[in-house]
Amino acid sequence: NAGVTQTPKFRILKIGQSMTLQCTQDMNHNYMYWYRQDPGMGLKLIYYSVGAGITDKGEVPNGYNVSRSTTEDFPLRLELAAPSQTSVYFCASRTDRVSGNTIYFGEGSWLTVV
Amino acid sequence: RKEVEQDPGPFNVPEGATVAFNCTYSNSASQSFFWYRQDCRKEPKLLMSVYSSGNEDGRFTAQLNRASQYISLLIRDSKLSDSATYLCVVNYGGSQGNLIFGKGTKLSVKP
Repeated sequence: NAGVTQTPKFRILKIGQSMTLQCTQDMNHNYMYWYRQDPGMGLKLIYYSVGAGITDKGEVPNGYNVSRSTTEDFPLRLELAAPSQTSVYFCASRTDRVSGNTIYFGEGSWLTVV
Repeated sequence: RKEVEQDPGPFNVPEGATVAFNCTYSNSASQSFFWYRQDCRKEPKLLMSVYSSGNEDGRFTAQLNRASQYISLLIRDSKLSDSATYLCVVNYGGSQGNLIFGKGTKLSVKP
């Protein structure tokens, strides 16, 4: 049962570098999400997707980009990393049923920008 | 504006205590509700869904009050292993499938 898989788990970036956080799910879920969680804070939505080829901004999209070329994959791209992007990033997915659905999270990616 | 509000705590309780968390939501069109549990440095995991009629799973009871727009979670006979942050999640539905997370309530159960 792979569920939602994120890589890498830990990464240290220098200011101005770029990187991609990978996320894949094997549950055939249409909805996928990227959240960030700063220490002691709640989850903030960065981007989400309701299906392949469709993405939309969440609450805090600045400094990030996403793509959704397949149902399974939803990578998050950080361009020109800044210290403010130091955070834990969670990818998640769920079915598109309106009620009774469950959102499944990956184990998280710990990113530090120095 | 769609918001989900929770008391951040922390709730510090002794083993065996009963503790209750509340969560209020702002949009009356909300369609489904959940409680998630998040351990330190881990991903959130579903604890239980919340149904209109209320539901119980062992020591955990969840209730929904649509008229007052709040949901609650009751934990009976608290265990040390219940120490975690409890997140209230509201699904507003619609084509965007938007989920709104509360900031969480931290519970610490002491011996």
